[in-house]
Parts: sequence; structure tokens; C-alpha cells
Amino acid sequence: DSGVTQTPKHLITATGQRVTLRCSPRSGDLSVYWYQQSLDQGLQFLIQYYNGEERAKGNILERFSAQQFPDLHSELNLSSLELGDSALYFCASSTDRVQPQHFGDGTRLSIL
Amino acid sequence: LAKTTQPISMDSYEGQEVNITCSHNNIATNDYITWYQQFPSQGPRFIIQGYKTKVTNEVASLFIPADRKSSTLSLPRVSLSDTAVYYCLVGDRSSNTGKLIFGQGTTLQVKP
Repeated sequence: DSGVTQTPKHLITATGQRVTLRCSPRSGDLSVYWYQQSLDQGLQFLIQYYNGEERAKGNILERFSAQQFPDLHSELNLSSLELGDSALYFCASSTDRVQPQHFGDGTRLSIL
Repeated sequence: LAKTTQPISMDSYEGQEVNITCSHNNIATNDYITWYQQFPSQGPRFIIQGYKTKVTNEVASLFIPADRKSSTLSLPRVSLSDTAVYYCLVGDRSSNTGKLIFGQGTTLQVKP
């Protein structure tokens, strides 16, 4: 158990819809990272927050957004969903930028 | 961030020692090396991290030569449960962010 909790575990929705994925980091971790893993793209870094502030952006689409709340949990919002957004979405957390990241078990998003 | 190159796949048998080598020719002075393990439909799990020479923990050893252009993850006496994808990553200690760039990884198949 990594200590990182992601909900929901599975999500099935339709094209054009909007969903919110939630992540609770390990106790004490200030950094939260979001990654997308699809069969053809592998693990792709999306975005990082540190203590409520956006720290780095990766290959995140404009239809996607995220935030980290004062209690340090984070949400990833995906809108105008397309079939190609079907993937596993992982959240990871770490104490700081140097310490190893600990990953949750992901949310599997299926777009029908 | 330095690019990494590792074998796509490896086979081994139970009880053997497995060495997975990763090439990172453009590693910078501030870069450190981290290995993760991933099982299907699970988040990557941190295995080991090092900067130079040798690092050992309860599950693996990491060998880094003096020029740091490569590193070798050593798994002693593997079992069937070690079948997984192993990722080698290079991260920048001086960066403002801890984002990870994952490559294709090495799929290790352990046979009975």
C-alpha cells in the first residue's frame, strides 16, 4: 500500500462528458503529480502541484485541468471527453522534488 | 532531462539473478537515477534510487559506474512475482519540479 488513494477506481462515461478524478496523497507529502497511461503512449506526465501551487506542466490537454486543495488532496478534471482519453490515470505524491514518488493504483477511465 | 535506453524485454528463471542495464549517456551533474517497477493495472512502485557507486536495499542493488553514463539494476534470486515492467528514470535534483519522464521500460518475464 503506497498510501496514495485514488477514487474512483473505474469510471465509464460517454464522449462529450466531464469527469473528476480525485487523489489523496500520502500523509505529509506536499507534491502531487498526475500521469496518464494509455496502451500506445505509455506513462505520460500531465501536471504537478506543490502545496497548492502549480509547479510543472507536461502533455496536458487544454480540456484537462487540475487543482490541489488546502488539505493537499488533488482533483483532475477532464472535459469534452473523447474516445482517445480512455486510459489509466495515476496520481503520485512525494515529500519534495527529490524524494521518490509514490503512486496510487489509478483510475481506469473508459469512454464509450 | 537525460533520455534513457533500456532493453524492451528480458527473460529469466526463478532463483536467478537478473541484471537490467540502462543507458543514459547525456546524464548531467545534478541528475540522479531511479528505478520503478510496475505490475499490470497498478501504479509504478519505487524500487531504488542512486547518484553514484552502489546502492543496496532490501529488494535490489543499483550499480552506477564512475562516468554515470549507465546504471544496472540487480534483482537477486527472482521469483515469478517479479514479472513486471521495470523503468529507469533520470531526474534533475536542481530542477524546480520532480516530474518523471518514463521511457518504454523493460518487461521482465520470470519463468518457473
